[in-house]
Amino acid sequence: KAGVTQTPRYLIKTRGQQVTLSCSPISGHRSVSWYQQTPGQGLQFLFEYFSETQRNKGNFPGRFSGRQFSNSRSEMNVSTLELGDSALYLCASSFSGAGAEQYFGPGTRLTVT
Amino acid sequence: GENVEQHPSTLSVQEGDSAVIKCTYSDSASNYFPWYKQELGKGPQLIIDIRSNVGEKKDQRIAVTLNKTAKHFSLHITETQPEDSAVYFCAAISDSNYQLIWGAGTKLIIKP
Repeated sequence: KAGVTQTPRYLIKTRGQQVTLSCSPISGHRSVSWYQQTPGQGLQFLFEYFSETQRNKGNFPGRFSGRQFSNSRSEMNVSTLELGDSALYLCASSFSGAGAEQYFGPGTRLTVT
Repeated sequence: GENVEQHPSTLSVQEGDSAVIKCTYSDSASNYFPWYKQELGKGPQLIIDIRSNVGEKKDQRIAVTLNKTAKHFSLHITETQPEDSAVYFCAAISDSNYQLIWGAGTKLIIKP
């Protein structure tokens, strides 16, 4: 079956702009989690959506938001971009959530200049 | 909240030798401990996991051990091969907040 897809793969934005990233999970998976990955910081949990509801949220400012659609596809939005938001944003899908195997997409590399 | 520490940050071993990566966690309620492998340009991929009711689990050349008393768990790779070169992450989750908390990663280098 098809894996997790993320679009776009690369993105360059300017400080103050906003950005929307998209994630299509594996068919049948209802849980989508988003992570920020930066060198030396590992993976930082942003939030998890399950059946269109945000089920869990990490310690990120309100500039980071997300949503999930009825087909389980998810979007993540970052408003008022800062230089420190430059990172690889990973999306992971699973059948039931964090306690089950997470299938990761290749990520979206965001560069803020 | 949960905190996961991972050591070493970089590990270089000769092909054919064994590699061991160690993680400690802080939340005694944590009950699920997966290990992920991330190759360049790809997202992490689950390689093995263990739950708190088990002390050890093996899958061919890889094994994970868990010491609940000491709150640490380790990844063991035997007979290392060039394709084992990657970044390895440990993680832990507890029922209290149901979030995967990740270690900072170990870059494993297999020398030919």
